[in-house]
Amino acid sequence: RKEVEQDPGPFNVPEGATVAFNCTYSNSASQSFFWYRQDCRKEPKLLMSVYSSGNEDGRFTAQLNRASQYISLLIRDSKLSDSATYLCVVMNTGFQKLVFGTGTRLLVSP
Amino acid sequence: ETGVTQTPRHLVMGMTNKKSLKCEQHLGHNAMYWYKQSAKKPLELMFVYNFKEQTENNSVPSRFSPECPNSSHLFLHLHTLQPEDSALYLCASSQDRAADTQYFGPGTRLTVL
Repeated sequence: RKEVEQDPGPFNVPEGATVAFNCTYSNSASQSFFWYRQDCRKEPKLLMSVYSSGNEDGRFTAQLNRASQYISLLIRDSKLSDSATYLCVVMNTGFQKLVFGTGTRLLVSP
Repeated sequence: ETGVTQTPRHLVMGMTNKKSLKCEQHLGHNAMYWYKQSAKKPLELMFVYNFKEQTENNSVPSRFSPECPNSSHLFLHLHTLQPEDSALYLCASSQDRAADTQYFGPGTRLTVL
């Protein structure tokens, strides 16, 4: 089983739509969680961290469910510029190592 | 933009060539990383340096040889690579090994013929 699993997509949505991605992780000792965004042929960039209480940043909301070991990312009012691959990332504090999912591709169309 | 630069951005090499990838960070960080990103695979951590000392080698073949002369610079020396080594090689840095936010460079897209 992969340490971090994501649906690769692509998710094709129209502008203005709300879209949600889920990610599951296998290591129950994982302590830190993140969503990174990677545009085509570019480097990953931190989108937001995910804490136990969840957090919101504008149109983006990230939530963590420790009991079920999954993390979600909700994007409201999708923009064309949101088209990218969204990487779910988990840090296992003991090993101090970031573990990346394969990413979920989002395509927002006019 | 992110304070981490990589050169070259693209590299094509034969299996008998020797080349080096360079990474430089201008963020004052103390930890630097090499990752490999192949198509449809997650980023794979290759090497970690913390305060210039290598702290992790994720079973990377010896045809990849890292070098970290100081906290701002990281190299990846390549020799006798295989076509399956073709990938995007990403450098990243963080404040230190314990920091959970890493900043990535733009990567070097490597093609091995």
